[in-house]
Amino acid sequence: GQQVMQIPQYQHVQEGEDFTTYCNSSTTLSNIQWYKQRPGGHPVFLIQLVKSGEVKKQKRLTFQFGEAKKNSSLHITATQTTDVGTYFCAGRGWGSQGNLIFGKGTKLSVKP
Amino acid sequence: NAGVTQTPKFRVLKTGQSMTLLCAQDMNHEYMYWYRQDPGMGLRLIHYSVGEGTTAKGEVPDGYNVSRLKKQNFLLGLESAAPSQTSVYFCASSYPGRLVYEQYFGPGTRLTVT
Repeated sequence: GQQVMQIPQYQHVQEGEDFTTYCNSSTTLSNIQWYKQRPGGHPVFLIQLVKSGEVKKQKRLTFQFGEAKKNSSLHITATQTTDVGTYFCAGRGWGSQGNLIFGKGTKLSVKP
Repeated sequence: NAGVTQTPKFRVLKTGQSMTLLCAQDMNHEYMYWYRQDPGMGLRLIHYSVGEGTTAKGEVPDGYNVSRLKKQNFLLGLESAAPSQTSVYFCASSYPGRLVYEQYFGPGTRLTVT
C-alpha cells in the first residue's frame, strides 16, 4: 500500500539555526498536507500543497511540493523555541475518499 | 464552537475489559476519523466514516469497532482490550466540500491497558 516516509526522525537545533524535514511518498499524491503537534497536544493543520513544484511560505516556514508530486519538504528559517514540536507530512492519494497517510513525523527540539 | 471533543481524556483498562471512546464535532463535518498514535509510529488510521451510518476500515482496524449513528458523533469501541492497544487515540473530522479539506483533531484520549 501507499507509504509516506519522513526524515529525520529527530532534529536538535540551536535557536536561530535552520531546520528542514523531508517527506517521500511511494506513489504520486494528489496533494500533501503538513501538521504540527506541540508536546502534549494534538496535530494542527499548517498547509496544503496541490500543484507540482508548488512553494508556499508562512512567515519563517517554507513548504515545497516536488515536481513529480511524490516528495515534499518543510524548511524553518532561524528557529525559535516556539517552533518546538513534531511536524508531520500527510499525503493524500487519488480516489474519492482520499484518506491521509501520515509520515512518522520529525520531532524538533530547539535549544535556547 | 467547541470543534472536536473527545471523552474521556484518560483511561486505564485491564486486559479483557471493554470501553467506548466518544468523539463529537460541532462543525457539521461529513468525514470523521479515528487514529492511534504510538511513539515513533506517527498517526495510523483505525477506522473512518464518510457520512452518517457509514464506516470503513483504515490501516489498523483489528480489535476495534466503530459506529456513526449521528453525523456529529463517532464512537470507537474496544471489545476486549489488550496491552498492545495502549496508545493515544485521536479523533479528527473534515469537510470534503472545499478545495482544502484539512483534518481537525480532538485533544486525544490516553489509554493504558494493563
